[in-house]
Amino acid sequence: GQNIDQPTEMTATEGAIVQINCTYQTSGFNGLFWYQQHAGEAPTFLSYNVLDGLEEKGRFSSFLSRSKGYSYLLLKELQMKDSASYLCAVPSGGYNKLIFGAGTRLAVHP
Amino acid sequence: DARVTQTPRHKVTEMGQEVTMRCQPILGHNTVFWYRQTMMQGLELLAYFRNRAPLDDSGMPKDRFSAEMPDATLATLKIQPSEPRDSAVYFCASSGLYGYTFGSGTRLTVV
Repeated sequence: GQNIDQPTEMTATEGAIVQINCTYQTSGFNGLFWYQQHAGEAPTFLSYNVLDGLEEKGRFSSFLSRSKGYSYLLLKELQMKDSASYLCAVPSGGYNKLIFGAGTRLAVHP
Repeated sequence: DARVTQTPRHKVTEMGQEVTMRCQPILGHNTVFWYRQTMMQGLELLAYFRNRAPLDDSGMPKDRFSAEMPDATLATLKIQPSEPRDSAVYFCASSGLYGYTFGSGTRLTVV
């Protein structure tokens, strides 16, 4: 089976850096996804990690440690529009059905 | 810009009525998923198809929910009869070689 844990809520200040952690347990590993979801909207793809290490993409970076079953999403130079839920997800099963964590609701304050 | 199209965007219905939600996946994507999202449960996988064949619908209440993919351009999720506890946002997603794309969702309210 799969188990994905993320903090429920986080708050941060505009311009700051925030790290959102995700731990997972899965039978077989085929990468880890991060999605962003604004209230009332669909999840949108942020990143995909399949190898250990840090992947940087503009203000957002994602890190993976397969041996520790751990990932984090790092958001730099926070903006108000970054207020959203951030979902960690792992593919599972022979056809890679995507299983999501409960999501971390991030509130960015001025 | 390729997108997954879902209809309707919003649906309000009375308990006991039939509800049908539709999804047009991205052309060429061969795997289609149905998810349900509520505040309490987050995103739950209900069912998914590969090359139009149903692979897993274990997340779906079988007595009232059914999912089909009559052709490569249409996936449907039907609830009959609907109940207030079915109120949620239902998302369709499709995946090809380069990842998963979600539709805008159908917000269902059963009163």
